[in-house]
Amino acid sequence: EIVMTQSPATVSVSPGERATLSCRASQTVTTSLAWFQQKPGQAPRLLISGASTRATGIPARFSGSGSGTEFTLAISSLQSEDFAVYYCQQYKNWPPTFGQGTKVEIK
Amino acid sequence: QVQLQESGPGLVKPSETLSLTCTVAGASITSYYWTWIRHSPGKKLEWIGNFHYTGSTDYNPSLESRVTMSIDTSKNQFSLNLSSVTAADTAVYHCARKSDFYYYMDVWGKGTTVTVSS
Repeated sequence: EIVMTQSPATVSVSPGERATLSCRASQTVTTSLAWFQQKPGQAPRLLISGASTRATGIPARFSGSGSGTEFTLAISSLQSEDFAVYYCQQYKNWPPTFGQGTKVEIK
Repeated sequence: QVQLQESGPGLVKPSETLSLTCTVAGASITSYYWTWIRHSPGKKLEWIGNFHYTGSTDYNPSLESRVTMSIDTSKNQFSLNLSSVTAADTAVYHCARKSDFYYYMDVWGKGTTVTVSS
C-alpha cells in the first residue's frame, strides 16, 4: 500500500496571501494524484486530478504540480472560503490511499 | 447537479452489521461506479470499495472479508454492509461517485457518523 504524507499539518495564512501545501508518496504514483477540499459539515470537493488538472468550476487560484513522489497544491490568493482541510489521494495503485490532511487556517 | 445523501443508524453494537444507504440525485445509478469511503477519528481517509450495477466490485483488501455492497436501481440507491463491527469501525462514512476512468471521486456525500458501542 502506498503511504501518502502531507505537510505541514496546519498552515496559517492571511487572506490574500499564498499558501503552499505538500504531499509525498512512499513510491512513485506518476501523476495519478488528486486533491480535495473539505469544510466542516460539508462534502469533500474535488479540486485537482492528474496532479495538475483543475476540476470543473474550480477557480484558477488553485494549482497543482508535481509528479512521481512529490506534489504541491498552491492557492495563490487565499479567499475566506478557502480556509478548510485539504487532502491528497493517490490512485496509481490499489487500494487508493489518502494523506492525513493539511488544515489551512486564518492567520 | 449530482447530490449524494447517506442514511442509516448512527449507533451499531459490536459484532453486529453496519448498514448504510446512499441515495443519488441528478445521475443514474447505472451509469457510474459508486464508492464508500470512511474517516475514523485520528486516522486517514480509507477507501472501502467500489460497486457497479453489473455486480463488478473492488474492495479494500483490509476490509474485503467483511464488506458487501449492493444497488437498488429502482430507488437510485446503493448500500454498504460491514459485518462483525468493532470500535475500530467507528467513523464518518461517505458515499461518492468514482470518476469515469480513474480511482478518484468526483462527487461526494457529506457523510454520516456511525459509532460502534454497546
